[in-house]
This record gives sequence, structure tokens and C-alpha cells, in this order.
Amino acid sequence: EVQLVQSGAEVKKPGESLKISCKGSGYSFTKNWIGWVRQMPGKGLEWMGIIYPGDSDTRYSPSFQGQVTISADKSINTAYLQWSSLKASDTAMYYCARHQRYGSGGYFDYWGQGTLVTVSS
Amino acid sequence: EIVLTQSPGTLSLSPGERATLSCRASQSVYSNFLAWYQQKPGQAPRLLIFGASSRATGIPDRFSGSGSGTDFTLTISRLEPEDFAVYYCQQYGSSPEKFGQGTKVEV
Repeated sequence: EVQLVQSGAEVKKPGESLKISCKGSGYSFTKNWIGWVRQMPGKGLEWMGIIYPGDSDTRYSPSFQGQVTISADKSINTAYLQWSSLKASDTAMYYCARHQRYGSGGYFDYWGQGTLVTVSS
Repeated sequence: EIVLTQSPGTLSLSPGERATLSCRASQSVYSNFLAWYQQKPGQAPRLLIFGASSRATGIPDRFSGSGSGTDFTLTISRLEPEDFAVYYCQQYGSSPEKFGQGTKVEV
């Protein structure tokens, strides 16, 4: 059974750094892309970026390039999303999801449970 | 960049009725690479349809996807109580991949 288990909710102050995680199991972690999707409170889904854990090839949405860093540690089947300096506008639910790639794009077939990040002074 | 516009914003229906949701792209979606997701309150999204018309594993056959080019439709043939949720389309034929803004199906 494919499972993606995300780290727990975080409460941070503006300017702080943060790294959240997503651990995959039940499939070949290194041979499947995995991505991150943001959902701000009461809003829709936003595609942030994806990574191929096998070689750490990473693609970002232009909206998120330079704002976050996506990484993976294939030795422990875990992907990460990190910020170096959080802003209040980063407050959102963040989902990881397995990305089934076709050509230059793909759809998300399995999702984590989400990690709520709250940034407030 | 392809922009996806979903309509209507909200669809008010009763159990047993047919739901028809639209997703219109600003440019043709390459190879009809369009997916649909369902999201219930407090839950992660769930993949329903990929490739415009292929049902994902475990998705009931009351859900169907159709369309090509710039116009796509998700149809729920007979609404069950658990189908009241928000539905998103996503194009993955070209970069950047994006989601539509969602359609809420409510009682």
C-alpha cells in the first residue's frame, strides 16, 4: 500500500527557518517523482514543485522558485520542503503527493495527510 | 502559461441528481493531459480522473471525465451524500502545471 506520511503541524515566527518532511512507503521511492502543493486558508490548490529522489532532479513553479527549497534523502525515503525565512503569507496547509510523470508533466496519485504551517508573531 | 477556469463556482444539487462540472483551458492541453481531484473538508485531495477520461484506482464508475483540447467535463451521474465536496482540475501537458480554482458541489 502506497503511503505518504508528513511531519506534524508547525507554529513559527516570521523570519524563522523551517523544514517539513514527507516519508514514502509501499512503492519505489527513488523511481517516482514526488511533489508539494500549497493550500492557503480557504483557498485552492497551488502546484509548488517536484523532485525525483533517484537523482534529486528538481523542478519548481515560477511562483515558488527561490521562495522554497525541495530536497530528498533517498536513504530514508523522505522528501522535504524548507524555508530559510518564513513570512506570515507562508501560513498554509502543505501537501506532499506522488507525481506520476508523463512527458513534461504529471498528476498526483497518492497524497500525504498535509502539514499545517502557521507563521505568526 | 495555461490558465484553467472552472465553472460554476458553486453547484447546488440534491443526492441522486447529476452533476456536470466544467474546466476550460486558455490554450489547448497537450495530449489531453488533464486530471480531476476531489477534496472534502479537512482531508487531502484525492485523484479521480487522469488523462481527461481515465478513472483512478478505486474510483466509482458514477464519476466520468470527458473532453479534449480546451474544454473538459467531470460528470457525476448520481450524486451520493459523500460526493459533496470541492473538485479541482489540473493540466499537466505543459509547464507550469496548474490547478483550476475549484468547483464546490453542495446540497
